[in-house]
Amino acid sequence: DAGVIQSPRHEVTEMGQEVTLRCKPISGHNSLFWYRQTMMRGLELLIYFNNNVPIDDSGMPEDRFSAKMPNASFSTLKIQPSEPRDSAVYFCASSGQGVGYTFGSGTRLTVV
Amino acid sequence: AQSVTQLGSHVSVSEGALVLLRCNYSSSVPPYLFWYVQYPNQGLQLLLKYTSAATLVKGINGFEAEFKKSETSFHLTKPSAHMSDAAEYFCAVSTGSNYKLTFGKGTLLTVNP
Repeated sequence: DAGVIQSPRHEVTEMGQEVTLRCKPISGHNSLFWYRQTMMRGLELLIYFNNNVPIDDSGMPEDRFSAKMPNASFSTLKIQPSEPRDSAVYFCASSGQGVGYTFGSGTRLTVV
Repeated sequence: AQSVTQLGSHVSVSEGALVLLRCNYSSSVPPYLFWYVQYPNQGLQLLLKYTSAATLVKGINGFEAEFKKSETSFHLTKPSAHMSDAAEYFCAVSTGSNYKLTFGKGTLLTVNP
């Protein structure tokens, strides 16, 4: 089991550019979560999916953020246009019935 | 609604001393409770979890936690701290495996030689 796989590990982009973060959950897990971690706000849930359907996106900061899960093995988090305040570590996690939550290694995003 | 409060953003102990990290939760339904550890520039690793079975839960690296419903607490302990335990620790609550996980602000553990 390769765990939850996130890409890229690091991303540096200029303000105004589009950024796409990717996540491959653990096979068989039916829930997927996107979190953002910053020094000021800690770990915040952005959005989560059950069986590829978005359940709660109340944590998505604004319309510049969007997330998709086209199938059970892939999800993306897109920021367009990016701003310096979006700089953070973004974590993806997956879980299944009766099992715990497994986190990916995160994507460190820097917007300059 | 669910929430977690971790008392003490920074705890410092001597090597070999007891580690006690405090966590109190709020949940409208029976909770699932978790402790995660995060080493610098790394992801979150599960230490242990409570999912309505035994109230004393043993985890990895010698850590354990006790679920106390009357006190709405889930404190993390380790009898003897090791230098390698220095990290940030997060308590989290959910209402089920397929529901959102809500984290506390974290406690940074420092271990002094």
